[in-house]
Amino acid sequence: DAGVIQSPRHEVTEMGQEVTLRCKPISGHNSLFWYRQTMMRGLELLIYFNNNVPIDDSGMPEDRFSAKMPNASFSTLKIQPSEPRDSAVYFCASSSTAGGGTDTQYFGPGTRLTVL
Amino acid sequence: AQSVTQPDIHITVSEGASLELRCNYSYGATPYLFWYVQSPGQGLQLLLKYFSGDTLVQGIKGFEAEFKRSQSSFNLRKPSVHWSDAAEYFCAVGAGTGRRALTFGSGTRLQVQP
Repeated sequence: DAGVIQSPRHEVTEMGQEVTLRCKPISGHNSLFWYRQTMMRGLELLIYFNNNVPIDDSGMPEDRFSAKMPNASFSTLKIQPSEPRDSAVYFCASSSTAGGGTDTQYFGPGTRLTVL
Repeated sequence: AQSVTQPDIHITVSEGASLELRCNYSYGATPYLFWYVQSPGQGLQLLLKYFSGDTLVQGIKGFEAEFKRSQSSFNLRKPSVHWSDAAEYFCAVGAGTGRRALTFGSGTRLQVQP
């Protein structure tokens, strides 16, 4: 299995530009999570989807952030406009709720975003 | 709201020595608890998890953790540390619908001396 795939791995952009981060979950997984990791705030859940539907977006910092999951194999996290304080590592994770039990989240390698 | 505290920011142990990483949680219901490990520049890998049942949980790489409800703790242990265990370790509690939204602690960085 290829695991969770994130692209790009590194992104450097200038303040005010639009940034799009991409995630391909593990095939067969029906839940997808976006996290942000910074030195100051640690690991924070931004949003998660179940069966392509956003379930909890209470962690999304502000309206500049948006996330979509148009199908079961692809999700995007968009920041528009970007600001220097958005610099962080963004992780995508996926899991399966098959069987009705609690699930294990498998993390991608992350996208390191630097906003100048 | 739920929270996780990892009181040790940085721990150094000698190779072959035993290890215990502390984790305390706050959650109003029965918690789902996790330990993840992150190597530099990498994503997080699940070491072990507790949902119910036996309070002593075995994980990968020789790690184990014990859930103690009375102390609100879920400490991670390993009897003999290897140099490859040097990494950052995160404790997390699952909350919300289906306990699926993870709240992470601030992490403990483990350094292993030869």
